[in-house]
Amino acid sequence: RKEVEQDPGPFNVPEGATVAFNCTYSNSASQSFFWYRQDCRKEPKLLMSVYSSGNEDGRFTAQLNRASQYISLLIRDSKLSDSATYLCVVTAGGGGSNYKLTFGKGTLLTVNP
Amino acid sequence: DVKVTQSSRYLVKRTGEKVFLECVQDMDHENMFWYRQDPGLGLRLIYFSYDVKMKEKGDIPEGYSVSREKKERFSLILESASTNQTSMYLCASSRRGIFYEQYFGPGTRLTVT
Repeated sequence: RKEVEQDPGPFNVPEGATVAFNCTYSNSASQSFFWYRQDCRKEPKLLMSVYSSGNEDGRFTAQLNRASQYISLLIRDSKLSDSATYLCVVTAGGGGSNYKLTFGKGTLLTVNP
Repeated sequence: DVKVTQSSRYLVKRTGEKVFLECVQDMDHENMFWYRQDPGLGLRLIYFSYDVKMKEKGDIPEGYSVSREKKERFSLILESASTNQTSMYLCASSRRGIFYEQYFGPGTRLTVT
């Protein structure tokens, strides 16, 4: 099983749609979880952190299920500007390797007018 | 505005050449990282530095070395470039303790012929 797995997509949705991405991770010792966003031909940028209690930032909601080793990102009321690749990111298990981020391969989202 | 800059956007080198990729950040960050990003493989960590003159190997250090003589500058060196090192190289930096919020440079597209 790969360390971090995502559905590569592409997801093509109309403006205003709700879309959800999933991500699974294999290392049960992983401690922290994030979503990054990468626009076409641009660098990745941190979108949001993911907490066990879930967290929401405007139209974006992230959820973590530690028991199932599963992370999700929900985007409501999709905008054209949401078109990007969404990268699921997991930290390595504890100790000195805490600094290390493991990136999923990304899920490509295209929002259509 | 935080900034990570990389010396070149595009670079073409011949097999066997020594290649230097430079990265500079102006945020006084302690941590700096070098990744490569390939289609179907995602972002993979090559090397990490948590302080001047300090470095740690990432997932794929073979064929690469790094240098960090000043806090703001982190160099990636390909001792003898090979065609399988053709890739997009991304530098990133972060504050100590907030390692997960990494700021990426625009990337260098290296082609080795």
